[in-house]
Amino acid sequence: DAGVTQSPTHLIKTRGQQVTLRCSPKSGHDTVSWYQQALGQGPQFIFQYYEEEERQRGNFPDRFSGHQFPNYSSELNVNALLLGDSALYLCASSPGQVLGIFGQGTRLTVV
Amino acid sequence: QQQVKQSPQSLIVQKGGISIINCAYENTAFDYFPWYQQFPGKGPALLIAIRPDVSEKKEGRFTISFNKSAKQFSLHIMDSQPGDSATYFCAASNDNYGQNFVFGPGTRLSVLP
Repeated sequence: DAGVTQSPTHLIKTRGQQVTLRCSPKSGHDTVSWYQQALGQGPQFIFQYYEEEERQRGNFPDRFSGHQFPNYSSELNVNALLLGDSALYLCASSPGQVLGIFGQGTRLTVV
Repeated sequence: QQQVKQSPQSLIVQKGGISIINCAYENTAFDYFPWYQQFPGKGPALLIAIRPDVSEKKEGRFTISFNKSAKQFSLHIMDSQPGDSATYFCAASNDNYGQNFVFGPGTRLSVLP
């Protein structure tokens, strides 16, 4: 089992651009959560998707949006990128409302 | 209220020694307290977790001590090994929050050979 797979692993974007990050959950997991981890900080909860709907949301602006597909995979979209959006973006999947496992993350650098 | 404080920021321990990391929280609604281990370039991995109905939980060399009245909990790593060198995060959640975990800022542990 490949566990939670995220793509791409690294990417560089210019301020003002838009970015899409992808997450494939572990087989059998139907819930996906996204976290932002700034350098030297703990992860911060962005939102959670279940049954293709956003179920919970952290304290992030509307520039951050997501989607979950029927196969449970998920995308995180960030519009109008700011320098402060540079971070490691983590996806965690779980079988419902239990503790999830994390992917290796996508390192986003905004220049 | 939602913040989880963690100390120390960094820790250096000799091989075979005991590593101790402390966390404190304010929100009394929290009822689940996991610890995560993160190696460079990797996502966090669950190490051990505890609920407030017990004061201590041990799994191998890792022990969580929990003080509900003080709203504090700590991770003890016995017989620390160089392979334990990583960043450790405490976190807190409530079953009603789903996967909205609140993480501490992390402790970078270095175990010297």
